[in-house]
Amino acid sequence: GENVEQHPSTLSVQEGDSAVIKCTYSDSASNYFPWYKQELGKGPQLIIDIRSNVGEKKDQRIAVTLNKTAKHFSLHITETQPEDSAVYFCAASNTGFQKLVFGTGTRLLVSP
Amino acid sequence: GAGVSQSPRYKVAKRGQDVALRCDPISGHVSLFWYQQALGQGPEFLTYFQNEAQLDKSGLPSDRFFAERPEGSVSTLKIQRTQQEDSAVYLCASSLEYHSYEQYFGPGTRLTVT
Repeated sequence: GENVEQHPSTLSVQEGDSAVIKCTYSDSASNYFPWYKQELGKGPQLIIDIRSNVGEKKDQRIAVTLNKTAKHFSLHITETQPEDSAVYFCAASNTGFQKLVFGTGTRLLVSP
Repeated sequence: GAGVSQSPRYKVAKRGQDVALRCDPISGHVSLFWYQQALGQGPEFLTYFQNEAQLDKSGLPSDRFFAERPEGSVSTLKIQRTQQEDSAVYLCASSLEYHSYEQYFGPGTRLTVT
Protein backbone atom coordinates (compact mmCIF):
# COMPACT_ATOMS: atom_id res chain seq x y z
CA GLY A 1 0.00 0.00 0.00
CA GLU A 2 0.85 3.68 -0.10
CA ASN A 3 3.41 5.08 2.36
CA VAL A 4 3.94 8.82 2.83
CA GLU A 5 6.99 10.24 4.57
CA GLN A 6 7.18 13.86 5.68
CA HIS A 7 9.97 16.06 6.94
CA PRO A 8 11.00 17.97 8.90
CA SER A 9 8.98 17.01 11.95
CA THR A 10 9.43 20.49 13.41
CA LEU A 11 10.27 23.79 11.75
CA SER A 12 10.90 27.11 13.45
CA VAL A 13 11.08 30.31 11.41
CA GLN A 14 10.98 34.03 11.99
CA GLU A 15 7.97 36.02 10.86
CA GLY A 16 8.40 36.99 7.23
CA ASP A 17 10.67 34.05 6.37
CA SER A 18 9.69 31.24 4.01
CA ALA A 19 8.93 27.70 5.13
CA VAL A 20 9.23 24.51 3.08
CA ILE A 21 7.84 21.10 4.02
CA LYS A 22 8.63 18.03 1.94
CA CYS A 23 6.86 14.71 1.42
CA THR A 24 7.63 11.56 -0.52
CA TYR A 25 5.21 8.82 -1.51
CA SER A 26 5.67 5.26 -2.62
CA ASP A 27 2.71 4.35 -4.85
CA SER A 28 3.11 5.56 -8.42
CA ALA A 29 -0.68 5.23 -8.86
CA SER A 30 -1.30 8.10 -6.42
CA ASN A 31 -2.65 11.12 -8.28
CA TYR A 32 -4.00 13.53 -5.66
CA PHE A 33 -1.90 15.31 -3.04
CA PRO A 34 -3.60 17.61 -0.50
CA TRP A 35 -2.09 19.59 2.34
CA TYR A 36 -3.91 20.11 5.62
CA LYS A 37 -3.35 22.54 8.47
CA GLN A 38 -4.35 21.39 11.94
CA GLU A 39 -4.58 23.75 14.88
CA LEU A 40 -4.75 22.53 18.46
CA GLY A 41 -8.09 20.92 19.25
CA LYS A 42 -9.39 21.24 15.70
CA GLY A 43 -9.81 18.97 12.72
CA PRO A 44 -7.50 19.17 9.70
CA GLN A 45 -8.29 22.05 7.34
CA LEU A 46 -7.63 21.64 3.62
CA ILE A 47 -5.36 24.51 2.53
CA ILE A 48 -4.19 23.52 -0.94
CA ASP A 49 -4.07 20.46 -3.15
CA ILE A 50 -2.52 19.35 -6.41
CA ARG A 51 -3.37 16.67 -8.91
CA SER A 52 -0.89 14.65 -10.86
CA ASN A 53 -1.48 16.43 -14.18
CA VAL A 54 0.14 19.66 -12.95
CA GLY A 55 3.55 20.43 -11.50
CA GLU A 56 2.82 23.50 -9.41
CA LYS A 57 -0.12 25.34 -7.89
CA LYS A 58 -0.22 28.65 -6.02
CA ASP A 59 -2.76 30.32 -3.78
CA GLN A 60 -1.59 33.66 -2.39
CA ARG A 61 1.24 32.91 0.05
CA ILE A 62 1.14 29.14 -0.30
CA ALA A 63 2.27 26.94 -3.17
CA VAL A 64 2.68 23.24 -3.78
CA THR A 65 5.05 21.57 -6.22
CA LEU A 66 4.92 17.98 -7.45
CA ASN A 67 7.65 15.86 -9.01
CA LYS A 68 6.00 12.65 -10.18
CA THR A 69 9.22 11.13 -11.42
CA ALA A 70 10.87 11.43 -8.04
CA LYS A 71 7.58 10.85 -6.19
CA HIS A 72 7.85 13.89 -4.00
CA PHE A 73 5.84 17.02 -3.36
CA SER A 74 6.44 20.10 -1.27
CA LEU A 75 4.54 22.89 0.47
CA HIS A 76 5.97 26.39 0.31
CA ILE A 77 4.74 29.18 2.56
CA THR A 78 6.12 32.66 1.91
CA GLU A 79 6.02 35.71 4.19
CA THR A 80 5.10 33.56 7.18
CA GLN A 81 2.92 35.03 9.91
CA PRO A 82 2.42 33.91 13.53
CA GLU A 83 -1.05 32.64 12.62
CA ASP A 84 0.60 30.14 10.27
CA SER A 85 1.84 28.29 13.36
CA ALA A 86 0.17 24.85 13.37
CA VAL A 87 0.79 21.23 12.41
CA TYR A 88 0.81 20.62 8.66
CA PHE A 89 0.06 17.24 7.10
CA CYS A 90 0.62 16.07 3.56
CA ALA A 91 -1.43 13.21 2.15
CA ALA A 92 -1.80 11.12 -0.98
CA SER A 93 -4.61 9.18 -2.61
CA ASN A 94 -5.68 7.85 -5.98
CA THR A 95 -8.87 7.47 -7.94
CA GLY A 96 -9.30 3.83 -7.15
CA PHE A 97 -8.89 4.14 -3.39
CA GLN A 98 -10.68 7.11 -1.91
CA LYS A 99 -8.85 7.06 1.37
CA LEU A 100 -6.12 9.57 2.17
CA VAL A 101 -2.77 8.30 3.43
CA PHE A 102 -1.20 10.96 5.63
CA GLY A 103 2.35 11.87 6.51
CA THR A 104 3.42 12.16 10.13
CA GLY A 105 3.07 15.93 10.28
CA THR A 106 5.29 19.01 10.60
CA ARG A 107 4.93 21.35 13.55
CA LEU A 108 5.56 24.87 12.21
CA LEU A 109 6.34 27.63 14.70
CA VAL A 110 6.48 31.20 13.41
CA SER A 111 8.05 33.60 15.89
CA PRO A 112 7.17 37.31 15.78
CA GLY B 1 -22.55 26.88 5.16
CA ALA B 2 -22.28 24.43 8.02
CA GLY B 3 -19.27 22.16 8.04
CA VAL B 4 -18.89 18.60 9.28
CA SER B 5 -20.01 18.26 12.88
CA GLN B 6 -19.17 15.53 15.35
CA SER B 7 -20.51 14.63 18.76
CA PRO B 8 -19.59 14.27 21.47
CA ARG B 9 -16.42 16.33 21.27
CA TYR B 10 -14.95 14.50 24.25
CA LYS B 11 -15.74 11.06 25.61
CA VAL B 12 -14.26 9.28 28.58
CA ALA B 13 -15.01 5.57 28.82
CA LYS B 14 -13.96 2.92 31.26
CA ARG B 15 -12.22 -0.08 29.75
CA GLY B 16 -14.82 -2.55 28.57
CA GLN B 17 -17.57 -0.02 27.93
CA ASP B 18 -19.19 0.49 24.53
CA VAL B 19 -19.14 3.94 22.89
CA ALA B 20 -20.92 5.51 19.92
CA LEU B 21 -19.51 8.50 18.03
CA ARG B 22 -21.66 10.53 15.69
CA CYS B 23 -20.82 12.37 12.47
CA ASP B 24 -23.02 14.81 10.58
CA PRO B 25 -21.46 15.41 7.16
CA ILE B 26 -21.87 18.50 5.03
CA SER B 27 -25.38 18.48 3.58
CA GLY B 28 -25.48 16.75 0.22
CA HIS B 29 -22.07 15.13 0.52
CA VAL B 30 -22.16 11.60 -0.82
CA SER B 31 -18.91 10.23 0.58
CA LEU B 32 -18.07 9.91 4.26
CA PHE B 33 -14.83 8.78 5.86
CA TRP B 34 -13.69 7.90 9.37
CA TYR B 35 -10.08 8.32 10.46
CA GLN B 36 -8.29 7.64 13.74
CA GLN B 37 -5.59 10.06 14.91
CA ALA B 38 -3.27 8.96 17.70
CA LEU B 39 -1.46 11.64 19.69
CA GLY B 40 1.29 13.24 17.62
CA GLN B 41 0.47 11.23 14.50
CA GLY B 42 -1.29 11.77 11.21
CA PRO B 43 -4.85 10.54 10.72
CA GLU B 44 -5.20 6.90 9.70
CA PHE B 45 -8.05 5.63 7.55
CA LEU B 46 -10.70 3.45 9.17
CA THR B 47 -13.65 3.15 6.79
CA TYR B 48 -15.47 4.79 3.87
CA PHE B 49 -19.11 5.12 2.81
CA GLN B 50 -20.66 6.15 -0.46
CA ASN B 51 -24.21 7.06 0.49
CA GLU B 52 -25.33 4.20 2.75
CA ALA B 53 -22.95 1.62 1.28
CA GLN B 54 -19.79 0.85 3.21
CA LEU B 55 -17.30 0.40 0.37
CA ASP B 56 -14.08 0.02 2.33
CA LYS B 57 -13.60 -1.04 5.93
CA SER B 58 -10.04 -2.23 5.57
CA GLY B 59 -8.74 0.17 8.22
CA LEU B 60 -10.94 -0.95 11.09
CA PRO B 61 -8.45 -2.34 13.63
CA SER B 62 -10.62 -5.13 15.01
CA ASP B 63 -14.12 -6.56 14.96
CA ARG B 64 -14.88 -4.39 17.99
CA PHE B 65 -15.15 -1.44 15.60
CA PHE B 66 -18.34 -1.02 13.60
CA ALA B 67 -19.61 1.85 11.47
CA GLU B 68 -22.94 2.53 9.83
CA ARG B 69 -24.67 5.16 7.73
CA PRO B 70 -28.17 3.75 7.32
CA GLU B 71 -29.82 6.66 5.50
CA GLY B 72 -26.80 7.95 3.64
CA SER B 73 -26.26 11.05 5.76
CA VAL B 74 -25.45 10.77 9.49
CA SER B 75 -22.90 8.11 10.42
CA THR B 76 -22.10 6.41 13.70
CA LEU B 77 -18.84 4.74 14.65
CA LYS B 78 -19.31 2.24 17.44
CA ILE B 79 -16.54 0.71 19.50
CA GLN B 80 -17.41 -2.26 21.67
CA ARG B 81 -15.53 -3.33 24.80
CA THR B 82 -13.17 -0.35 24.62
CA GLN B 83 -9.48 -0.89 25.33
CA GLN B 84 -6.83 1.65 26.35
CA GLU B 85 -5.26 1.46 22.88
CA ASP B 86 -8.52 2.82 21.45
CA SER B 87 -7.74 6.21 23.03
CA ALA B 88 -7.38 8.64 20.14
CA VAL B 89 -9.15 11.39 18.24
CA TYR B 90 -11.73 10.03 15.80
CA LEU B 91 -12.16 12.26 12.78
CA CYS B 92 -14.96 12.24 10.27
CA ALA B 93 -14.62 13.72 6.79
CA SER B 94 -17.03 14.13 3.91
CA SER B 95 -16.68 14.85 0.23
CA LEU B 96 -19.18 15.98 -2.33
CA GLU B 97 -19.33 12.99 -4.59
CA TYR B 98 -17.61 9.79 -5.57
CA HIS B 99 -14.24 10.62 -7.17
CA SER B 100 -14.43 14.10 -5.68
CA TYR B 101 -11.05 14.33 -4.12
CA GLU B 102 -11.51 17.10 -1.57
CA GLN B 103 -12.28 15.82 1.91
CA TYR B 104 -13.51 18.19 4.60
CA PHE B 105 -12.94 17.22 8.20
CA GLY B 106 -14.95 17.71 11.34
CA PRO B 107 -13.42 18.75 14.68
CA GLY B 108 -13.10 15.17 15.89
CA THR B 109 -14.11 13.28 19.02
CA ARG B 110 -11.38 12.76 21.58
CA LEU B 111 -11.88 9.35 23.19
CA THR B 112 -10.05 8.55 26.39
CA VAL B 113 -10.31 5.01 27.75
CA THR B 114 -9.37 4.69 31.42
